[in-house]
Amino acid sequence: AQSVAQPEDQVNVAEGNPLTVKCTYSVSGNPYLFWYVQYPNRGLQFLLKYITGDNLVKGSYGFEAEFNKSQTSFHLKKPSALVSDSALYFCAVRAGQNFVFGPGTRLSVLP
Amino acid sequence: GAGVSQSPSNKVTEKGKDVELRCDPISGHTALYWYRQSLGQGLEFLIYFQGNSAPDKSGLPSDRFSAERTGGSVSTLTIQRTQQEDSAVYLCASSFTTSSEQYFGPGTRLTVT
Repeated sequence: AQSVAQPEDQVNVAEGNPLTVKCTYSVSGNPYLFWYVQYPNRGLQFLLKYITGDNLVKGSYGFEAEFNKSQTSFHLKKPSALVSDSALYFCAVRAGQNFVFGPGTRLSVLP
Repeated sequence: GAGVSQSPSNKVTEKGKDVELRCDPISGHTALYWYRQSLGQGLEFLIYFQGNSAPDKSGLPSDRFSAERTGGSVSTLTIQRTQQEDSAVYLCASSFTTSSEQYFGPGTRLTVT
């Protein structure tokens, strides 16, 4: 069965420092991987996706993610965090007809 | 262009009553999804429509939940005989294809008293 794990419920980083939000997945077949962000009292917004091609994917707001097939990971990264990046982040995977979201990681960027 | 819209934005209902939640997807999007999100929690998949194919109902938590999509566009999620544990934010999303990113609506916050 397909599954997505986000091992950290909460990630705290200082403004200006690099951030990483971790995601690992388990699917059969080639995965389509996505990251979404949910700002307080707002809907989910698409950040980036990996379908095929380069393992490093660049997305909105300066975020990027690296697909690692051997480690079945798709970690979200940003070189320099902003306070405004504080939000709930969801990793998601699609394989075949199923679409599965991870439990979410709350990112807090401290000024 | 217009995004995914949902109505109502908030719904308070008494236990045992039926409710209908509406979703208007982005025009041209063939796939439509319903999810449920409890306070501060992740997304629970409910049901998925793709074109004219039979919907994937594997996520519906009980037979009190049903959904339909008329004309390949607007969708309605119906919850019969609501229970307090049905209280959550119900999110609708649409995508151009099943491998495309999803665009989410603002959600309907359902409170069952």
